[in-house]
Amino acid sequence: QVQLKESGPGLVQPSQTLSLTCTVSGFSLTSYHVSWVRQPPGKGLEWMGVIWTGGSTAYNSLLKSRLSISRDISKSQVFLKMNSLQTEDTATYYCARDLLAWGQGASVTVSS
Amino acid sequence: EIVLTQSPTTMAASPGEKVTITCRASSSVSYMHWFQQKSGTSPKPWIYDTSKLASGVPDRFSGSGSGTSYSLTISSMEAEDAATYYCLQRSSYPWTFGGGTKLELK
Repeated sequence: QVQLKESGPGLVQPSQTLSLTCTVSGFSLTSYHVSWVRQPPGKGLEWMGVIWTGGSTAYNSLLKSRLSISRDISKSQVFLKMNSLQTEDTATYYCARDLLAWGQGASVTVSS
Repeated sequence: EIVLTQSPTTMAASPGEKVTITCRASSSVSYMHWFQQKSGTSPKPWIYDTSKLASGVPDRFSGSGSGTSYSLTISSMEAEDAATYYCLQRSSYPWTFGGGTKLELK
């Protein structure tokens, strides 16, 4: 069945770079696009960006200067990298296949 | 950026009551999508392409709308429907979510 699982550090220091991995199974990254969505504690959802089946990407303009999404098809993995983290980047980060199948989320705290 | 404004932001409904949640877009969008989220869990796709129910969604839910005004309706509130609902537009980048409507059981 379709599964997505986010992994990465639970704690990141301010000004550092966040690296998250979304490992998928049950489908091919060449057939479905994958988005990243985040949710600060107690707040709403924010779409961060998407990597399409052909490998092209689109980003939220508010994050574009700090954000990069890439993939490794052979490993069925999608990567998120975001630099210059601040405390307001503390959130649960989700990856989602065409926004119809979601991972469980990875909680990330930005703190020294 | 297309801003989605949901109303109300919070509401409580009694069992059997009809519920309507509205999502208004700052510019016209082609479709609206809805998600249900319960505390501590990932969002679930609920309604896609404005009016199509996702797999497993009870048929007491419906979606409608066009242009800048969309809605999610529950014909008869049940306890399991208590959750936060978000609308989403994918008509133009950046894709944007509404701020959410928290629906509680009265």
